[in-house]
Amino acid sequence: QVQLQESGPGLVKPSETLSLTCTVSGDSLNNDYWSWIRQPPGKGLEWIGYIYYSGGTNYSPSLKSRVTMSIDTSKNQFSLNLTSVTAADTAVYFCARDPPGEPMDVWGKGTTVTVSS
Amino acid sequence: DIQMTQSPSTLSASVGDRVTITCRASQTISTWLAWYQQKPGKAPKLLISKASSLESGVPSSFSGSGSGTEFTLTISSLQPDDFATYYCQQYTTYPYSFGQGTKLEI
Repeated sequence: QVQLQESGPGLVKPSETLSLTCTVSGDSLNNDYWSWIRQPPGKGLEWIGYIYYSGGTNYSPSLKSRVTMSIDTSKNQFSLNLTSVTAADTAVYFCARDPPGEPMDVWGKGTTVTVSS
Repeated sequence: DIQMTQSPSTLSASVGDRVTITCRASQTISTWLAWYQQKPGKAPKLLISKASSLESGVPSSFSGSGSGTEFTLTISSLQPDDFATYYCQQYTTYPYSFGQGTKLEI
């Protein structure tokens, strides 16, 4: 079955760039959107944005100035970069499959990122 | 952007109870609404799509209804495994938005 796995540093210093990768197994990246979502400690879910298999993107307006997503279909991976991080970016970051016209149906387990010096 | 508002924020109930969670959208979203269940330390799990379509493997005790701006998630008979936090999410328009969550506790 389809599985997603987030990976990346668990600790990032303030003002630096948070970089995460999501590796997809059991499915190709073709024909779907692939989203990132985050959840600060004890809080709700926030959609960050998606990348399409062709490379097209759509970012949340609240994060658009700091977010870049990329995709590598040969490795079945997609990535998130978030620049100029602050403590407010501390969260569990999830990646998810986002089929066209459907809700996000398969999620990674999430990875915790802490922003601290 | 579309705002999603859930109520209540916390719901105390017992095994066997019937419970209902409400989700309201700030503008019409037709039936482009999903419900997720999240347990501590876990990823959200998709329960219902298109406001009322139960995902495969989800117990029939769960049901969803509504259209436009008002939606409900009902659990007809609570089981111990159902105590979790529930989120609604609209997927008609980007940016996607979630309700703030309803924590269902014993």
